[in-house]
Amino acid sequence: DQQVKQNSPSLSVQEGRISILNCDYTNSMFDYFLWYKKYPAEGPTFLISISSIKDKNEDGRFTVFLNKSAKHLSLHIVPSQPGDSAVYFCAASLERGTSYGKLTFGQGTILTVHP
Amino acid sequence: KAGVTQTPRYLIKTRGQQVTLSCSPISGHRSVSWYQQTPGQGLQFLFEYFSETQRNKGNFPGRFSGRQFSNSRSEMNVSTLELGDSALYLCASSPDRGGTEAFFGQGTRLTVV
Repeated sequence: DQQVKQNSPSLSVQEGRISILNCDYTNSMFDYFLWYKKYPAEGPTFLISISSIKDKNEDGRFTVFLNKSAKHLSLHIVPSQPGDSAVYFCAASLERGTSYGKLTFGQGTILTVHP
Repeated sequence: KAGVTQTPRYLIKTRGQQVTLSCSPISGHRSVSWYQQTPGQGLQFLFEYFSETQRNKGNFPGRFSGRQFSNSRSEMNVSTLELGDSALYLCASSPDRGGTEAFFGQGTRLTVV
């Protein structure tokens, strides 16, 4: 039972253009959502998060959008850079204070940014 | 500020053996979680410790266990290793017990032969 799904295994984008990574979830109890970036042989690096009370959060080139009614979130990277090439994971947790460290991850999307 | 440190980085073990992995969280972080990453299952939550107490546990057999020390350092143990236990084991630390941003170490690559 995969509660967090990233349906696109890979995405290829030209440098300078927008990258849009998508994520769907099924558990309506999820309250907090995060995006991580992972390079081979390294642990995931936290990028950006969003609480369910918001529909948008920005941090520099990264923006996360949340559509609670559709149980969908997306990560926008503008402009994309070759150094952004990595695996991107979407993760979700229950309400703060009750999830006790548990993040539920999607399967990841491999982003390749071409120069 | 030092990040999450996991040791060792690589391990090769034989079926039936046991293994202990170590994790030192970011200074001041009291919550430590463990995850298993495999190509087929992705990142799966193993368990979480806070103030030396296991607060949450994923769907893994009892061969997987852990503990946390008073300085927040954590260890996980896998007994009676199986080939399917080959994976990247990741430790993450958070400043509190909730589902806030978790900061991951580089992981321990375990290979069971």
